[in-house]
Amino acid sequence: AQTVTQSQPEMSVQEAETVTLSCTYDTSESDYYLFWYKQPPSRQMILVIRQEAYKQQNATENRFSVNFQKAAKSFSLKISDSQLGDAAMYFCAYRALMKGGSEKLVFGKGTKLTVNP
Amino acid sequence: DAMVIQNPRYQVTQFGKPVTLSCSQTLNHNVMYWYQQKSSQAPKLLFHYYDKDFNNEADTPDNFQSRRPNTSFCFLDIRSPGLGDAAMYLCATSRDRGFNQPQHFGDGTRLSIL
Repeated sequence: AQTVTQSQPEMSVQEAETVTLSCTYDTSESDYYLFWYKQPPSRQMILVIRQEAYKQQNATENRFSVNFQKAAKSFSLKISDSQLGDAAMYFCAYRALMKGGSEKLVFGKGTKLTVNP
Repeated sequence: DAMVIQNPRYQVTQFGKPVTLSCSQTLNHNVMYWYQQKSSQAPKLLFHYYDKDFNNEADTPDNFQSRRPNTSFCFLDIRSPGLGDAAMYLCATSRDRGFNQPQHFGDGTRLSIL
């Protein structure tokens, strides 16, 4: 079964500094997608960044980038120049197509990021 | 503009009293999902619809059911809520099936059981 592990329940960073959130996953499949979602307090979950497993190049979206290590099954998120608005719960998620065309999106337990002014 | 709309934001029901949560979308997406997110836990997929085809997760309790009368609306019915069903319920959509399709989430409905 696929599992996603976020080993840091909470992290904090100073405004304008850089922070890295860790994520590891377990799967026997070769083709899948990985996502980072952000869930601010009492607000909807939004997609931050995604990575295709067959691509070696790490995905980048403005201040957000990932370090994808497929062999190690590691998918960390780096937030550069942290802003107060980055404070949220961050979820790492794994998604794969299953037999019969159904699909599975498995989330980690989340990391709560606090940004200090 | 909200694209995945969940109503109500907060729902309170009594132990054992059926409750329905609703989700609507303006994206015309084929796939709609329901997740359960308990406090300090990851969202857990309950089931999803691909168009009219219903796909239930193996460990979703029989107490939970869903309806999708048309493309825009999807309902989550809890037949006899127990205290353990108190959670945030998230609705999400994706344009199509396929693991490269991102999911768009609503704000969620927080369900409390008295």
